[in-house]
Amino acid sequence: AQTVTQSQPEMSVQEAETVTLSCTYDTSESDYYLFWYKQPPSRQMILVIRQEAYKQQNATENRFSVNFQKAAKSFSLKISDSQLGDAAMYFCAPSGGFQKLVFGTGTRLLVSP
Amino acid sequence: NAGVTQTPKFQVLKTGQSMTLQCAQDMNHNSMYWYRQDPGMGLRLIYYSASEGTTDKGEVPNGYNVSRLNKREFSLRLESAAPSQTSVYFCASSLGGRREQYFGPGTRLTVT
Repeated sequence: AQTVTQSQPEMSVQEAETVTLSCTYDTSESDYYLFWYKQPPSRQMILVIRQEAYKQQNATENRFSVNFQKAAKSFSLKISDSQLGDAAMYFCAPSGGFQKLVFGTGTRLLVSP
Repeated sequence: NAGVTQTPKFQVLKTGQSMTLQCAQDMNHNSMYWYRQDPGMGLRLIYYSASEGTTDKGEVPNGYNVSRLNKREFSLRLESAAPSQTSVYFCASSLGGRREQYFGPGTRLTVT
């Protein structure tokens, strides 16, 4: 079974600073996608960024970027110029076999002024 | 374009009662999913439907049934609720394959 590890239960960052959230996973799939989702206090799950495993280039979406290391099965999320609205739980979710996402336990990001 | 909608938003049940959670999407997606989220954990897949007319078990299917009513709607039924089913339930949809999933706002269910 696929496993996902987010080893940082909580991270703190100041506004305008940069923070990196880590994620490692285990999969036997050769073709898969990876996603980061954000869950603010409203509990809505919001897609932040996606990465296709076959692409070597790391995905970027405005202030959000990933560092994808396929051989190491590592998929970290970097948030630049952090904003108060970035405060949320962040979940790493590789596609665990056709049709399925497998979620990590999440990292709570605190942003201070 | 409402995306993925879920009803109800909140529900309290007594042990042994039954209920159905409703989910609908207007994005013409092929695949739909039901997850549960418990404190301190990520989302766990209960059931999914790869396409209209098909359903399959996920990681934690016991105690639940699903119906893919049509392409838009996917319901989750608890036949005899138990306190262990107290959770937040999310419905999601996607184009299918390994594509990203889009989530509804969730239903907070408490079983006493």
